[in-house]
Parts: sequence; structure tokens; C-alpha cells
Amino acid sequence: DIQMTQSPSSLSASVGDRVTITCRASQRISNYLNWYQQKSGKAPRLLIYAASSLQSGVPSRFSGSGSGTDFTLTISSLQPEDIATYYCQQSYSTLRTFGQGTKLEIK
Amino acid sequence: EVQLVESGGGLVQPGGSLRLSCAASGFSLSSYSLKWVRQAPGKGLEWISYISSSSSTIYYADSVKGRFTISRDNAQNSLYLQMNSLRDEDTAVYYCARESQGKSSGYSFDYWGQGTLVTVSS
Repeated sequence: DIQMTQSPSSLSASVGDRVTITCRASQRISNYLNWYQQKSGKAPRLLIYAASSLQSGVPSRFSGSGSGTDFTLTISSLQPEDIATYYCQQSYSTLRTFGQGTKLEIK
Repeated sequence: EVQLVESGGGLVQPGGSLRLSCAASGFSLSSYSLKWVRQAPGKGLEWISYISSSSSTIYYADSVKGRFTISRDNAQNSLYLQMNSLRDEDTAVYYCARESQGKSSGYSFDYWGQGTLVTVSS
């Protein structure tokens, strides 16, 4: 199975900060990497697909980059409503796998 | 509006069985692959099963292989998960999700249900 490792596991930042979360795959996955946001008690929501494409309705402050094994999710200016846990997920392998999650808090 | 609504969760004893359902609306179910994802209390997301649009291809995570069975009824716009030989560690919120179409979509999980809680306990 392809292992997905996110860093950091948790992150505290101030409103307006630029926030970066990284995701590393245990083998090359081209651009088959997606990012999800999950707020407390809610279902996950797709933010970024195919590594860098913004899902419809998602604010433009969210962006994704990377290819191969290393990927990044960036929030250009953190807003209070961005408090959530963020997950990466690979779709290269038939056995889809998620990263362990990054919990984002407001400082 | 695309909607996925899970049902069938509840309390079950270890070794017992449960069948989850996911009712779809707002899109043509027969055109999409579907999957089940679960989340144990306080833990991360775990993909557990995939079924192609025609049911010709099915995959399971090792953690549920041989115990869980995924199926679908396109005419009834429904997805199912039959769970047998349940264990304490199967306690989780179970989500159904739709897989986006086409390589350019990244085969992402573009719509999710609200989840149904399964508790395995004596």
C-alpha cells in the first residue's frame, strides 16, 4: 500500500498568516493527490483535486502544488472559518489511502 | 443538488452483523464509482471499499477484507455495505462518497454523505 505522511500533525497560526501543510507519498503518485477539509462533527469536503486544481466553490486562498512524492496545501491568508483538520489522499493506487491529518488551530 | 444519505448504523455486539445503506439523489448513480470511508472516534479517515459504476470492479482495505461486502443497486440509486463478524475496532462513523469522473478529476471523492455511526460493543 502507498503510505501518505502529512506534516505537521498540528499547527497553530494567526488570522492572516500564510499556512503550509505538506504531504509525502511513499512512492511516486504523479499528480493523483487530493486535499480535504473536515470541520468538527462534519463530513469531509473536497478542496483540491489532481494536486493543484481548486474544487468549485472553494475560496481562492486555498492552493495546492506538487507532483511525484511531495505535495503542499497552502492557505494564503488564514481565516477563522479555516479551523479544521486537513487530509491528503492519493488516488494513484486502487487502494486509496489518506494521510493522518493536520489539525489547524487559531493562535 | 447532489446528495448522499447514509442509514443503518447503530449498536451491535462483537461478532454481529449490520447493513449500511447510502441513498443517492441529484445525479445518475450508474455513471459513478462509489466508496465507503470510515472514521473511528478521534481518529483520521480510512478508505475501506470501492465499487465501480457497473459493479465489475470491487476493492477492499485489508482491515475489512473477508468480512465486509460492498454492493450497489443503480435502479434503486443505492449503495450498500454488509458488515459481518464485527469487531470493537470497527466502531466508527461510516461515510459513503462519490468518486469524480475522469483522469483530470484526480479520481477525488467529490461528494460525501453525512455519515452513520456504528458502535460495536457488548
